[in-house]
Amino acid sequence: EDQVTQSPEALRLQEGESSSLNCSYTVSGLRGLFWYRQDPGKGPEFLFTLYSAGEEKEKERLKATLTKKESFLHITAPKPEDSATYLCAVQAGSGANSKLTFGKGITLSVRP
Amino acid sequence: EPEVTQTPSHQVTQMGQEVILRCVPISNHLYFYWYRQILGQKVEFLVSFYNNEISEKSEIFDDQFSVERPDGSNFTLKIRSTKLEDSAMYFCASSEARTSGSKLFGPGTRLTVL
Repeated sequence: EDQVTQSPEALRLQEGESSSLNCSYTVSGLRGLFWYRQDPGKGPEFLFTLYSAGEEKEKERLKATLTKKESFLHITAPKPEDSATYLCAVQAGSGANSKLTFGKGITLSVRP
Repeated sequence: EPEVTQTPSHQVTQMGQEVILRCVPISNHLYFYWYRQILGQKVEFLVSFYNNEISEKSEIFDDQFSVERPDGSNFTLKIRSTKLEDSAMYFCASSEARTSGSKLFGPGTRLTVL
């Protein structure tokens, strides 16, 4: 069974204080690793898809990296508007299996 | 920028009643999904749909659930006889490709079963 573990559960940062969010996974045949941002009461907002170990993607203050066992979401000089829950999800298995398996998420709070 | 839309935003129903949740996926997407999120828990996969049939479903998606694409734009999730434990946020998602690319989610429908 595919498993996704995110840590820490919650993270409080001061504005400008860079940090990393971790997503470790156990799957058979990773097809893609997805990062989403979720605001309270809203749907997941797509950020990145990573497909193979060593791949990196960036968007504004966010950078996602992938190894064979985990992914990191690096946040550089965060701002209060970056406060949200960050979800990691994996897509794995055979070609017919297209579902995403999500982790519990990391709730990030950035204080001004 | 195109987006997935869902209606209603909030649905309150009595236990045992039928509900239909509606979604309009992005127009050029071919793969459609329903996920749910019980308050404080993970987002969970329910069902995927392609070419007018179910591609995959989870254990949650039992005989009480059904999906339909009644026309070229709408994608619906029906729960025949709601239970208290069906209370959750239900998210519709769509993607261009099944095994790669972004899967874009809608804003969700909050279902409350009393």
